[in-house]
Amino acid sequence: GQNIDQPTEMTATEGAIVQINCTYQTSGFNGLFWYQQHAGEAPTFLSYNVLDGLEEKGRFSSFLSRSKGYSYLLLKELQMKDSASYLCAVRDNDNQGGKLIFGQGTELSVKP
Amino acid sequence: GAVVSQHPSRVICKSGTSVKIECRSLDFQATTMFWYRQFPKKSLMLMATSNEGSKATYEQGVEKDKFLINHASLTLSTLTVTSAHPEDSSFYICSAGQRNTEAFFGQGTRLTVV
Repeated sequence: GQNIDQPTEMTATEGAIVQINCTYQTSGFNGLFWYQQHAGEAPTFLSYNVLDGLEEKGRFSSFLSRSKGYSYLLLKELQMKDSASYLCAVRDNDNQGGKLIFGQGTELSVKP
Repeated sequence: GAVVSQHPSRVICKSGTSVKIECRSLDFQATTMFWYRQFPKKSLMLMATSNEGSKATYEQGVEKDKFLINHASLTLSTLTVTSAHPEDSSFYICSAGQRNTEAFFGQGTRLTVV
């Protein structure tokens, strides 16, 4: 079956660094995605990993280890506006260009 | 980047009526689109895969006759919630993508059935 796990909620302080972990067990793998979602809005794309290693994009970085079925999203220099839900998603092998299986999401609260 | 437009963003309907939600890919052709449902404080649950020119593929537990999907062109997929009931109230989101790119999401539709 398909299983993607991430913590339900996290709290961090403005200006700090936070790491959100995601572990997955899926029948196929064609990339791992991180999305940010504010309440009542659609998800917005943050990062994409298909090979092992770290991808850096400004204040956001994402890491992938395919052998361990593990990824994390690292947020640096946290800002209040980073309070949101962060979704880890795996794309199956079916190459349908967008079929994603989502984790339950991590609700991040950034406090002053 | 690619843009996916979803309409309407909010709809309130009476119990027993049907509601149609549209999803358009604005600057690329999408042979496949995806429909998700999201309950409050929950993640996105894939409902079905919309295939241009053929029948949709539904995920287990999703009623085909309840959630009608039509993908008549390479840029438009529609989801019709038939005979809506209050338990169908939810946030519905579509997405589309091309091979080896990220999925692009529509703005989402907040459906409230009263």
